Amino acid sequence: DIQMTQSPSSLSASVGDRVTITCRASQGISTYINWYQQRPGKPPKLLIYGASTLQSRAPSRFRGSGSGTDFTFTITNLQPEDFATYYCQHSFNTPYTFGQGTKVEIK
Amino acid sequence: EVQLVESGGGLVEPGGSLRLSCTVSGFAFSNYEMNWVRQAPGKGLEWVSYITGSGGTRYYADSVKGRFTISRDNANNSLFLQMDSLRVDDTAVYYCARESGPPSGPFYFDYWGQGVLVSVSP
Repeated sequence: DIQMTQSPSSLSASVGDRVTITCRASQGISTYINWYQQRPGKPPKLLIYGASTLQSRAPSRFRGSGSGTDFTFTITNLQPEDFATYYCQHSFNTPYTFGQGTKVEIK
Repeated sequence: EVQLVESGGGLVEPGGSLRLSCTVSGFAFSNYEMNWVRQAPGKGLEWVSYITGSGGTRYYADSVKGRFTISRDNANNSLFLQMDSLRVDDTAVYYCARESGPPSGPFYFDYWGQGVLVSVSP
């Protein structure tokens, strides 16, 4: 099974900051990685798929990059509604493992 | 508008069974693979199971293999998860999710239900 190691597990940031989250796959997954946002009590929401493609309803301040085993998710100009937990997920094969999550909190 | 609505959750004793349903609308259900994902209280997301549009291929997480069965009724736009031999550590919110993407990938979960709580306790 492919393991996804996501870091950091949490971070504190201010409105307007740039935030970066990384995810490392235990083996090469090409660009088969997705990024989701989850607010408390809500289902996950797709932001980025295929490593770098912005989901149609997602704001352009969300960006993804990487291929192979190392991937980066970036939020530029952090907004109040962005304080949430973010997860990476690979879709290279089943099981579709998720990363452990990164909680973005207000500094 | 695409909608996914789960039902069938509740409180059950260890060893018991539950059947979750996910009723969908707003898209051609039989054209899409579907998945179940769960989230234990205060924990992260765990993929549980996958089924192709025809229902002919199914995959499971090792943690539920042999105990859970995924199925679908395309005529009635419904996805199911039969959960048997439930354990305390199956306690979680269970989400159904639509899988999208080109035939060769990448694949992604673009629509999710609101989730249904399953509690397994003596």
